[in-house]
Amino acid sequence: AQRVTQPEKLLSVFKGAPVELKCNYSYSGSPELFWYVQYSRQRLQLLLRHISRESIKGFTADLNKGETSFHLKKPFAQEEDSAMYYCALRDSGGSNYKLTFGKGTLLTVNP
Amino acid sequence: GAGVSQSPRYKVAKRGQDVALRCDPISGHVSLFWYQQALGQGPEFLTYFQNEAQLDKSGLPSDRFFAERPEGSVSTLKIQRTQQEDSAVYLCASSLALGPSYEQYFGPGTRLTVT
Repeated sequence: AQRVTQPEKLLSVFKGAPVELKCNYSYSGSPELFWYVQYSRQRLQLLLRHISRESIKGFTADLNKGETSFHLKKPFAQEEDSAMYYCALRDSGGSNYKLTFGKGTLLTVNP
Repeated sequence: GAGVSQSPRYKVAKRGQDVALRCDPISGHVSLFWYQQALGQGPEFLTYFQNEAQLDKSGLPSDRFFAERPEGSVSTLKIQRTQQEDSAVYLCASSLALGPSYEQYFGPGTRLTVT
């Protein structure tokens, strides 16, 4: 069975401080990892995926297969980063298309 | 362009009532997914369609839940004899196709409250 764990329900930082949202996963196959974000009163949207290896809005995430982690990082948080963040997993083989989500971390960036 | 739309946005049902939730995917998207998000939880997979074919319904919590997509476009999630534990936000997502290149685009959700 596949499982995604986000250990922090709430995370509060000050503007300009570094931020790291933790995500650990459990999956026996070859996983594809994602971070989704939901801003206040908006719909869930994709932030980034590990296969793209890109930086979106200053956020990066590296897949660490040894530690089974996919932590989301940003060196300098901005107030507009305040949102709910969900880590998600999918089988990269394509036979299991369903996304498995963590419970989410609510990030608050204080001025 | 228009994204995924869902209606109604909010639904209050008395226990025992039947409800129908509608999803309009992005035009041309062949894959359609339903997820259930209970309060304080992440979305959980319910079912999946490829065009009009329902390829996986393993996430449906009981036989009171039924989904259809008869013409491969609009989908309806029906819940019969609603129970309080059915209270949740129901999310619909669509993607152009399957595969690692294809993003799932989510709708705004329908918040169902069963009283």
